[in-house]
Amino acid sequence: SYELTQPPSVSVSPGQTASITCSGDKLGDKYASWYQQKPGQSPVLVIYQDSKRPSGIPERFSGSNSGNTATLTISAAQSMDEADYYCQAWASTTGYVFGTGTTVTVL
Amino acid sequence: QVQLQESGPGLVKPSETLSLTCAVSGFSIRTDYWWGWIRQPPGKGLEWIATVSHGGDTYYSMSLTSRVTTSIDTSRNQFSLNLTSVTAADTAVYYCARAGGNWKPYDSWGQGTLVTVSS
Repeated sequence: SYELTQPPSVSVSPGQTASITCSGDKLGDKYASWYQQKPGQSPVLVIYQDSKRPSGIPERFSGSNSGNTATLTISAAQSMDEADYYCQAWASTTGYVFGTGTTVTVL
Repeated sequence: QVQLQESGPGLVKPSETLSLTCAVSGFSIRTDYWWGWIRQPPGKGLEWIATVSHGGDTYYSMSLTSRVTTSIDTSRNQFSLNLTSVTAADTAVYYCARAGGNWKPYDSWGQGTLVTVSS
């Protein structure tokens, strides 16, 4: 089955840049999406098709995908960006696959 | 604006069937979108369960395919999930969500409902 691996945690200082990686076999050949989930809330789509932002998502969220790694970048991080982040892709043999999740701490 | 709302029992006994419904409002379920179920055990990550198309095509997680079914009811603008032979490992928050098309990402989610499997 297809798997996506993320670092368990990432820390960033306010105003600095956070990068969250998502690793999977030939992930660059697929579309990657990213979701933000704050405590007690439902996930929110923040990036789709590797680098596109849904309406209402701040420009400080950006994404890229190449080789075996997709990356979500949060520029000028704010305290409101503290959350769990999950990558997601689709694999023909597995269907939807979610990454293991990364907790982002802004401090 | 689309809204999704899960409903169903919050407590299910081991070996019984978990049944949930997702009511969709503000959007016709007949349009060219797909509808999915995702769960999240307490303190853990997201797990995809199943997807149903507006036309009734269904796709299931390989790990759950022997126990899960999903269906769509266009007359009621809702879709449903059944998971049989549940165990404590099926305890989770269950979300329903909308995808923009075949295997597209989920762009709208319900608030989620906690289902506990316990005797």
